Amino acid sequence: RKEVEQDPGPFNVPEGATVAFNCTYSNSASQSFFWYRQDCRKEPKLLMSVYSSGNEDGRFTAQLNRASQYISLLIRDSKLSDSATYLCVVNPGNTGKLIFGQGTTLQVKP
Amino acid sequence: GAGVSQTPSNKVTEKGKYVELRCDPISGHTALYWYRQSLGQGPEFLIYFQGTGAADDSGLPNDRFFAVRPEGSVSTLKIQRTERGDSAVYLCASSRGMTETQYFGPGTRLLVL
Repeated sequence: RKEVEQDPGPFNVPEGATVAFNCTYSNSASQSFFWYRQDCRKEPKLLMSVYSSGNEDGRFTAQLNRASQYISLLIRDSKLSDSATYLCVVNPGNTGKLIFGQGTTLQVKP
Repeated sequence: GAGVSQTPSNKVTEKGKYVELRCDPISGHTALYWYRQSLGQGPEFLIYFQGTGAADDSGLPNDRFFAVRPEGSVSTLKIQRTERGDSAVYLCASSRGMTETQYFGPGTRLLVL
C-alpha cells in the first residue's frame, strides 16, 4: 500500500464548478500535511498547508481528519487557470522528508 | 529574490555513464532536499541535508547514487553506471529550516539511453 494515496483522475469540470479531491495516508503518526500544485513540466509549488481545524484561502478549503487519516481539498468557482495536478503531501515525522501522493489532475473547461 | 536553480535543465546520457546534477538553493536556506519524479507519479524523496551533513539518505535507491553538499550551499547529486530506469526528473528543494516550507527548483530531466 502506498503511504499517500490519491485518485489520479483526470477530473474534467466546467468553469465555475466546485470540485473536491481526497487523499488518504497510512502513517498515523504523521505530523504535517500540505497540498502542492504542479503545472505541466513545472516544479511543485505549495498551495496550502492543512490544519486539523481546517483552513481556507480564497476559493480553496483544506480539511484534515486525523481519525480517518484523510485529507481533502475543495476548490470553489473553478477557473481555467486552476487546471493543474494537485499533490497531497505528508510530512511523516516533522523531519525534512516529504511523502507525495501520485497527484490528481484537474482540467477546467470553458 | 532568486529561487532554487538546477543545472543542467536537461541531460541525455548513455547507459553505464556517470552524471552529476547540480542544485543552487535559495540564499540562506540551510536545508536542501533531492527528489526524483517519474512520469505520472509524485516526487519521491531521495536525500536531505541540514547544513553540510546528510540528515536522511533513506530514499537513495542504491549505492550508485550519492550526494554531497561540501560547503552547506550548493549540492551535487551523482549517479554512477546509469541505467535506463534512472530516467526521471530530478528535483531539488530548499527551506530555511527542516520544518519550513520547501521551495522547488525547475528540475533536471535525465534521459538514459
